[in-house]
Amino acid sequence: EDQVTQSPEALRLQEGESSSLNCSYTVSGLRGLFWYRQDPGKGPEFLFTLYSAGEEKEKERLKATLTKKESFLHITAPKPEASATYLCAVQAPGSSYKLIFGSGTRLLVRP
Amino acid sequence: DVKVTQSSRYLVKRTGEKVFLECVQDMDHENMFWYRQDPGLGLRLIYFSYDVKMKEKGDIPEGYSVSREKKERFSLILESASTNQTSMYLCASSIPGSPYEQYFGPGTRLTVT
Repeated sequence: EDQVTQSPEALRLQEGESSSLNCSYTVSGLRGLFWYRQDPGKGPEFLFTLYSAGEEKEKERLKATLTKKESFLHITAPKPEASATYLCAVQAPGSSYKLIFGSGTRLLVRP
Repeated sequence: DVKVTQSSRYLVKRTGEKVFLECVQDMDHENMFWYRQDPGLGLRLIYFSYDVKMKEKGDIPEGYSVSREKKERFSLILESASTNQTSMYLCASSIPGSPYEQYFGPGTRLTVT
């Protein structure tokens, strides 16, 4: 079964404490993996697209990496503004528009 | 900036009522989506539309229908609301060349009592 699993479900960090969020997937023939950020009371906001193992993308203090079985979202020296839920999704096999979403990691960065 | 707006942030309806959720985007996007988001289940696609009057069922279309009469507007209809349709409903839009870079609205939290 095509599936996306994110861990941990929730993560609390002190400001400046770097960490990584994990997204593991089981889909046949990955064609794209996507990271979104969702603030409370808002819709998700697109962050990154990764297409092949070994690929990396960076944006401010975030870096996304991809292997054949999982993706990591590395957060470097986060500030409280990084607090949000981070969602991972993969392109559904055989579809040109469907995404399979994980249930997200809730990140809280304390000052 | 792309803007996707949804008609209500919070809605409370009774079981059996017909419910309309509206979504409008201002970027001339061809693709529009309706999702529901439930704790522990992630986002699940209800319906997708790739052009005016064109639609495709997503993963959980049962109990829902959609309407797209104009390019910028995509409506989700609950024909007869039930308590298991209590959820956060999210609308999104994208362009055909980048269907996965979706722009989401703020969501409508629907409670069916």
